[in-house]
Amino acid sequence: EGQLVESGGGLVQPGGSLRLSCVASRLSFSSYWMSWVRQAPGRGLEWVAHIKQDGSAKDYVDSVKGRFTISRDNAKNSLYLQMNSLRAEDTAVYYCARVNGLPFNYYMDVWGKGTTVTVSS
Amino acid sequence: EIVLTQSPGTLSLSPGQRATLSCRASQSVSSSYLAWYQQKRGQAPRLLIYGASSRASGIPDRFSGTGSGTDFTLTISRLEPEDFAVYYCQQFGSLPVTFGGGTKVDIK
Repeated sequence: EGQLVESGGGLVQPGGSLRLSCVASRLSFSSYWMSWVRQAPGRGLEWVAHIKQDGSAKDYVDSVKGRFTISRDNAKNSLYLQMNSLRAEDTAVYYCARVNGLPFNYYMDVWGKGTTVTVSS
Repeated sequence: EIVLTQSPGTLSLSPGQRATLSCRASQSVSSSYLAWYQQKRGQAPRLLIYGASSRASGIPDRFSGTGSGTDFTLTISRLEPEDFAVYYCQQFGSLPVTFGGGTKVDIK
C-alpha cells in the first residue's frame, strides 16, 4: 500500500526557518494536488496550503502567506514546505496529504504520519 | 472564510449505540466539497466520507453522511469499540479550505 512520509521537523527559534519534506512511495503523486495540514497541540486540524499537479497553482491560509512556500518535485515524488519567520503559533504536527476528486470533489485520501515542528526559544 | 461548527463537542455513548454528529457551515457549501475524517489519538486523520455521502474505500457501511447547503450529518449506526475517536468535517466550497473544530466520541 502506498504511503507518504514527512521529515524535516524539529525545534527552531522564533524567526527561524525550516524546510519540511514529504516523499510518496508506491503511490501516484504527480497526477494529484497535494496539501499540508497542521495540528497544534491539543487542537483541531488546520489546512495550510495546497499545490496543483504541475506547481502552477498554489493557495495558502492567510496566517502563513508571505512566510511559507509550498513546492513539489514530481521527478522525486516529493512535496516541500519552506517555512520562514516562524512563530510560536506555528508549533504543530504537520501532515502532508494527497488531494483527490478534483474538480468535482475535494478530499484528502492519503495522509502521512506527520512531522513535529516546535517553535520556541 | 467558511466557518464549520461541529456539535456536540463531545458525545458520550456506549458500544452498539447510534452516533449523530453535526457540521454546520456559515454559508452554503456544495455537498461535492464536504468531507468527513476520523482521527484517533496519536494518529493521522483518515478519510471516511467525501461528497457529503460517499464512503471512502474500506469504510464500513455503518458510517453514513447526509446533508446539503449549510447542514451536514455524519451517522455511525452502531458504535464499535474502534469508532471512539475525534471526527472532523472539511469543506472546499471556497478558499481557504477549512475544518470544523471536531466532535469527540468517547465511551460512556
